[in-house]
Amino acid sequence: AQSVAQPEDQVNVAEGNPLTVKCTYSVSGNPYLFWYVQYPNRGLQFLLKYITGDNLVKGSYGFEAEFNKSQTSFHLKKPSALVSDSALYFCAVRDPYGGATNKLIFGTGTLLAVQP
Amino acid sequence: EAEVAQSPRYKITEKSQAVAFWCDPISGHATLYWYRQILGQGPELLVQFQDESVVDDSQLPKDRFSAERLKGVDSTLKIQPAELGDSAMYLCASSLGQGSYEQYFGPGTRLTVT
Repeated sequence: AQSVAQPEDQVNVAEGNPLTVKCTYSVSGNPYLFWYVQYPNRGLQFLLKYITGDNLVKGSYGFEAEFNKSQTSFHLKKPSALVSDSALYFCAVRDPYGGATNKLIFGTGTLLAVQP
Repeated sequence: EAEVAQSPRYKITEKSQAVAFWCDPISGHATLYWYRQILGQGPELLVQFQDESVVDDSQLPKDRFSAERLKGVDSTLKIQPAELGDSAMYLCASSLGQGSYEQYFGPGTRLTVT
């Protein structure tokens, strides 16, 4: 079964420092991977995706993610954190053999807290 | 920027009552999804539509939940009767269709069942 794991419930970082939010996946075949961000009482906002190609994917708001096949990881990164980046971040995977089904399987989320 | 619209934003209902949620996807998006997000967890897919047809409803509790997208545009998700365990955020998302994998989410409906 396809799954993603976000090993950290919360990540704390000082403003201006680099941040990393971790994600590992378990997928048969080549994975389609996504990162979403959720602000309080809001829906999810798409940040970036990896389907194929360059292992370093750039997305919205200065975020990027690195696909590492050997480590089955897709960590989210940003060189310099902002207080406004504080939110709940979700990693998700789509079953590449799902056919017409485009279901996303989400991790449990990581709360990012950026201190001023 | 086009957005997915959902209403109501908040709903409080008593158990055993019926409740309905509405979603209007981004114009031109053929695929529509309903997810349920329980507090502290990631969203889980309830149902996926391609135009007006159901593609996946394997996780939809069909004894009490129903979903429709009659004209292939907006959609309604209904719960009857509501149970305490249905308290959650109900998220609607849409995507262009086949070959377009990113999904765009609406603000959600927060349901509280008392």
